[in-house]
Amino acid sequence: DTEVTQTPKHLVMGMTNKKSLKCEQHMGHRAMYWYKQKAKKPPELMFVYSYEKLSINESVPSRFSPECPNSSLLNLHLHALQPEDSALYLCASSQQRLAGGTGELFFGEGSRLTVL
Amino acid sequence: GENVEQHPSTLSVQEGDSAVIKCTYSDSASNYFPWYKQELGKGPQLIIDIRSNVGEKKDQRIAVTLNKTAKHFSLHITETQPEDSAVYFCAAATGFQKLVFGTGTRLLVSP
Repeated sequence: DTEVTQTPKHLVMGMTNKKSLKCEQHMGHRAMYWYKQKAKKPPELMFVYSYEKLSINESVPSRFSPECPNSSLLNLHLHALQPEDSALYLCASSQQRLAGGTGELFFGEGSRLTVL
Repeated sequence: GENVEQHPSTLSVQEGDSAVIKCTYSDSASNYFPWYKQELGKGPQLIIDIRSNVGEKKDQRIAVTLNKTAKHFSLHITETQPEDSAVYFCAAATGFQKLVFGTGTRLLVSP
């Protein structure tokens, strides 16, 4: 099983709503990531979890709150978002190290978020 | 921090032609350089990667070359097919887990 599964595929929310994006992998990977991708742009790193602990936060606004309940699950809690936060949110996983390990980052298909 | 530049932004070729995409990186400490293909409505998928102790790597119609001195690396696709049409991203890894992507190349292969 080499899949990263993201739900929901599409989400529309108002600026006062609270919602969550979910990600699941069963490849035994111990690093999990959230990336944000705007149209016609490359993915931008938001957060990295390593062994269920937050290891990288790329100065993301606090209206985005990540959570890693266990080694297979990664959530992104959304609250008081702005229209400019509309984007494709990609989850990924890898073995612990990219540069020193096997390297491959496995991406899900993404959750397309629209903030009204 | 690391900065990765990628050229060209769009590339149109005829089926059967070769395609070359070039990237430069800024951080001499980067030592892992993957290439990802992203099809419409999907997440990026790794197609080939190279580490800094290797100058060239080939996998069927796809090859990647790395020039550490010049901080350049390139993707070469031979005998292109319409299904190669997609957006291609180069990337460089700094540290153990941070991958920085290039700006992307939209490849269109016409039959």
